[in-house]
Amino acid sequence: EAGVAQSPRYKIIEKRQSVAFWCNPISGHATLYWYQQILGQGPKLLIQFQNNGVVDDSQLPKDRFSAERLKGVDSTLKIQPAKLEDSAVYLCASSRRDRGKYEQYFGPGTRLTVT
Amino acid sequence: QKEVEQNSGPLSVPEGAIASLNCTYSDRGSQSFFWYRQYSGKSPELIMSIYSNGDKEDGRFTAQLNKASQYVSLLIRDSQPSDSATYLCAPAREGYQKVTFGTGTKLQVIP
Repeated sequence: EAGVAQSPRYKIIEKRQSVAFWCNPISGHATLYWYQQILGQGPKLLIQFQNNGVVDDSQLPKDRFSAERLKGVDSTLKIQPAKLEDSAVYLCASSRRDRGKYEQYFGPGTRLTVT
Repeated sequence: QKEVEQNSGPLSVPEGAIASLNCTYSDRGSQSFFWYRQYSGKSPELIMSIYSNGDKEDGRFTAQLNKASQYVSLLIRDSQPSDSATYLCAPAREGYQKVTFGTGTKLQVIP
């Protein structure tokens, strides 16, 4: 079974530029998550999708971040315009309901550096 | 009070010893508990899940859960240098499984 795929793996941009990240979850996983992980901290949930719908986006800075999940499979996270404090690793994870339980599996992440 | 509290470490243990990693959480609605291992520069990897009070063993790993005390721990027996990583505690609510991660404990296993 293929894991969660993400691209690009690394991205360097200047502040005020825009950037987009792509995620393809594990086949059959209905739930998809985007996390931001700043060095030395645990992952922070930005947005959670259940199929096409948003379950939780309470910590997504909506003035600059947006995300979509078309057709309930792939997802894209966009930042526009980027700020210095957006430098972090952006992790995508997916899960499915199995005997009433969910276990999340992470992709390799995208390391974003904003200069 | 943080939602999930872990000692950031580093926790240093000699090779072959037992490493004990602790975590407390504030959300009494948490029903599922996960431990992730994260090597430097890599993404988190799920190593243990526990859903009911008591102990759960998987190879060299034992997870312990006490919901009344809002406490979960991970024991690593016969620690190996390859266990050196940051361990993230992650409780989750039922329903759509919102997971909250702690900041992690950095474990160093000294050969």
